[in-house]
Amino acid sequence: GIQVEQSPPDLILQEGANSTLRCNFSDSVNNLQWFHQNPWGQLINLFYIPSGTKQNGRLSATTVATERYSLLYISSSQTTDSGVYFCAVGGNSGGSNYKLTFGKGTLLTVNP
Amino acid sequence: DGGITQSPKYLFRKEGQNVTLSCEQNLNHDAMYWYRQDPGQGLRLIYYSQIVNDFQKGDIAEGYSVSREKKESFPLTVTSAQKNPTAFYLCASSDRGRVETQYFGPGTRLLVL
Repeated sequence: GIQVEQSPPDLILQEGANSTLRCNFSDSVNNLQWFHQNPWGQLINLFYIPSGTKQNGRLSATTVATERYSLLYISSSQTTDSGVYFCAVGGNSGGSNYKLTFGKGTLLTVNP
Repeated sequence: DGGITQSPKYLFRKEGQNVTLSCEQNLNHDAMYWYRQDPGQGLRLIYYSQIVNDFQKGDIAEGYSVSREKKESFPLTVTSAQKNPTAFYLCASSDRGRVETQYFGPGTRLLVL
């Protein structure tokens, strides 16, 4: 199956700093999503981005499908950005529209 | 308000006991999913259902069972065959065939006594 690797595993920032999270995947995909899990466990879909670039406020994401990686940018970080950021991909094989493979996540801590 | 509810928030299981986790959605989604999350790990798919009365095994279905008798409900039973059930369980729903529209519930933490 598809392998998903995220880096760094942990990241500590001061409020106001910028950061870049990376997701590498081992095969071609037709779906790539970034999620944020808050400290209480709630998972929120940030971006659906199988290719190209998208922006939503202070967050933006870029996926280079031909090189099998995606980047999540967080600018002017706030303490509420703390939590775990997951990358998840869906492959091109049959049934892939129903399945996501998750990376292990990046644990982000933003200190005031 | 539309959304997904999971109950209970915390659940304790004794050795050899079956327990059932509830998941209900009022988003009118056809598809529903169950994931397991272990500390420091990503989510792994247990079961998914694209339509009522139909469901398929995910990557780690052993020791779990599900039913899909109603569109709104997708309960997960953790059986005594699941030897290491302590984990955080997340339910999700989406439009059929569009996993990118997945919306997640708040989760249930299962602990074995």
